[in-house]
Amino acid sequence: EVQLVQSGAEVKKPGESLTISCRVSGYNFATNWIAWVRQRPGKGLEWMGIIFPTDSDTQYRPSFQGHVTISADKSTSTAYLQWSSLRASDTAMYYCARLQLDELDSWGQGTLVTVSS
Amino acid sequence: DIQMTQSPSSLSASVGDRVTITCRASQTISTSLNWYQQKPGKAPKLLVYAASTLQGGVPSRFRGSGSGTDFTLTISSLQPEDFATYYCQQSYSFGGGTKVEMK
Repeated sequence: EVQLVQSGAEVKKPGESLTISCRVSGYNFATNWIAWVRQRPGKGLEWMGIIFPTDSDTQYRPSFQGHVTISADKSTSTAYLQWSSLRASDTAMYYCARLQLDELDSWGQGTLVTVSS
Repeated sequence: DIQMTQSPSSLSASVGDRVTITCRASQTISTSLNWYQQKPGKAPKLLVYAASTLQGGVPSRFRGSGSGTDFTLTISSLQPEDFATYYCQQSYSFGGGTKVEMK
């Protein structure tokens, strides 16, 4: 069974750094892109970027480029989403998901990030 | 960037109703269109991919159709567990969502 298990909720202050994780099991982690999707409170889904674990090739949506870093560790089948300096506007639920051809067919349970002074 | 426009943004329906949600792409995308269902506090779930292929385990009352720029998700007979928000997606763009509420 394909599973994506994300790290737990985080409460941070503006300016702090943060890394959240997505551990994958049930398939060969290296063979599929992993996507990160943001959902702000009460809002819709936003595609942030994707990573191909085999070679860590990464593609970001322009609105997220430079503010977040997506990485992956093949040895632990884990993908990461990292911020070096959080903003209040980063408060959201973040999902990782497996990308098949064009569709996101398996999702993590989500990680809630709250940024507040 | 291809923009995805969903309509309506919300609708009220009763159990047993036929429900139709539309998604329009700003340029032609062939059949590269996927549909997701999201219930409150839960991750989205893939329902339909490649415009009309049902994901495994999804009930047959869900049907996706369309190609080019205009797509439709139809629920033939709405069930209590179908009250949720539905999103279309093409590549890295999601539609704004359609919330299906109980009338």
